[in-house]
Amino acid sequence: NAGVTQTPKFRVLKTGQSMTLLCAQDMNHEYMYWYRQDPGMGLRLIHYSVGEGTTAKGKVPDGYNVSRLKKQNFLLGLESAAPSQTSVYFCASTTGNSNQPQHFGDGTRLSIL
Amino acid sequence: QKEVEQDPGPLSVPEGAIVSLNCTYSNSAFQYFMWYRQYSRKGPELLMYTYSSGNKEDGRFTAQVDKSSKYISLFIRDSQPSDSATYLCAGLDTGRRALTFGSGTRLQVQP
Repeated sequence: NAGVTQTPKFRVLKTGQSMTLLCAQDMNHEYMYWYRQDPGMGLRLIHYSVGEGTTAKGKVPDGYNVSRLKKQNFLLGLESAAPSQTSVYFCASTTGNSNQPQHFGDGTRLSIL
Repeated sequence: QKEVEQDPGPLSVPEGAIVSLNCTYSNSAFQYFMWYRQYSRKGPELLMYTYSSGNKEDGRFTAQVDKSSKYISLFIRDSQPSDSATYLCAGLDTGRRALTFGSGTRLQVQP
């Protein structure tokens, strides 16, 4: 059972380039999330989805777009990367019941030069 | 003001010590409170969760929530070198089922 898988694990981009981060979960979870983790800031919610075909903004959505075309996949896109988006990105999923934990992937380390 | 405040540490203790990790929060809407453990270059994993105020014990770990003072604590008894990690507290926004995290406390347990 793979749980939550994120690809790629590492990436270096130049300012202005675009890319897509992929998150896949095999637990049939309804809810999926994208967070970014920066030193001293903890994890901050970028976007989330409460089911296939739905997306919503989190606390720091600017500069990112997301899509949830299939229940098991949640994509995070950077249309024009900026150095301020250098971070570690984590995807998580859960059933949506309040007493159920969010399961996290191992992150994508993204550097933008 | 951050919704969840946490001392970043690092906190260094000898093996066998009792560790106390603490957070404060400002969002009164939080009903569930979680502690996640994060090893270096890994994703966070749930350690414990508590609903509303009260205590919850699981082996060497005890989680405490005091909603009147908006204070969250995690106690680790008989700490082990394998407990060395970053500990993240979080409050759950039940509307979005989304977590608001503290910045994390780095713990080092010395053998």
